[in-house]
Parts: sequence; structure tokens; C-alpha cells
Amino acid sequence: GAVVSQHPSRVICKSGTSVKIECRSLDFQATTMFWYRQFPKQSLMLMATSNEGSKATYEQGVEKDKFLINHASLTLSTLTVTSAHPEDSSFYICSAPTGGGNEQFFGPGTRLTVL
Amino acid sequence: AQSVTQPDIHITVSEGASLELRCNYSYGATPYLFWYVQSPGQGLQLLLKYFSGDTLVQGIKGFEAEFKRSQSSFNLRKPSVHWSDAAEYFCAVGNPSGGYQKVTFGIGTKLQVIP
Repeated sequence: GAVVSQHPSRVICKSGTSVKIECRSLDFQATTMFWYRQFPKQSLMLMATSNEGSKATYEQGVEKDKFLINHASLTLSTLTVTSAHPEDSSFYICSAPTGGGNEQFFGPGTRLTVL
Repeated sequence: AQSVTQPDIHITVSEGASLELRCNYSYGATPYLFWYVQSPGQGLQLLLKYFSGDTLVQGIKGFEAEFKRSQSSFNLRKPSVHWSDAAEYFCAVGNPSGGYQKVTFGIGTKLQVIP
């Protein structure tokens, strides 16, 4: 199947700093990617849809100025958590659908810990 | 709006015993249905999916699921559980109306396997 990577896999930062997470589709092009966050013992919640060449679409309740998304190319989307706070600590997962759009492939996730 | 219910948050089975994880969905028509597995600290791996056709779907690692329209269910089964199956299992529903559809996840069922 298609492969999606994320970098870094784990990051610890101080409160008030910004953190960038990369999501790459390694063997296919993805004009759309999805960003999820997962709190401990909870399900994945969709944060936003990343669109190559246009602005991201954010889900209700997600602050677009805090979670900056840039879909720089057909294989790369980045999520920047700006001015991170401890409540932003979470597991962030990206996914990319295949060309047919019927199935998504998920990255391995990024564990963010804000001190 | 689509939604997914996984009524069992935690299930414990003995190794070698059979397994059934329940999933009920809410959607106006026949949705796309998925089961994913997540090991601790890892991303999601697709076990199987249903789009159309045969309602009994075979997946990886010996798993299968059956789509029952009358019950709005898509339960996951395995005849004999192995210790390595201990993980979190997520049922998900997608919108087949076209385009890069968003996937809605259930809250997950944590499977514990005892020797």
C-alpha cells in the first residue's frame, strides 16, 4: 500500500514556542491531506484538511491561527503549532487519500509534549 | 452527519478464543466502512474495508467483518486471537458521495489478550 511518513515522531518543547510537523506521501501524490489529533484514550478528531495550492479547511473549533497548515507540494504538508501550550500536548496524525479518494493512508503519528 | 458507535471501550479475551468487536454507524445511505488497528504510540493500520459487494469482508491478520445494513453494523471478528492482537481498534465511516471524503472514527475498543 501507499506510504505516508511523519517527522518528527516525537517532540518536546517549551511553552510558547512553535513546533512544525511534516507529513509526506512517499510513493504517491496527494493534493489533499488530513490532520488529526488524538488525546489519550480518545479517538482521532479531524482538525483540518490540507489542500495543495490553496488554503486549508479547518473543522469547527480548531483555531486556524494556532494550527498553521501549509501544503507546500504534492507530497508534503506541514502543521505548525504556534505558541504551544501544555494543553496542545497530543498525538498528531496525518493521512493522505489515494488518487481514487476512497481510502486514506495514515502516517505513524507525532507525539507532541509541551512543557 | 455520519457517526460511529463502538459500545465496548475495553474487551479482554483469552489467547485462542474468538473475538467480536462491535461497530454501529449512522449514515443516510451505504457508507464506506473501515476497521483500523493502532498499537501503542503508533499510527493506524488498515485491517479491512467495505465499499460495496460481498458483505463479508476479509482483511489482514485473519480478521473479517460483516456489513449488515438492517442493523447498521460492521462488526469485526477473528476466530482465534493471538497475543499480538492486543491493541486499540477503531471503526470508521466514510462518505462515498465523491471526492476526498473525510473519515469519522469511533472512540475505539481496547483489546487485552490474556494467556
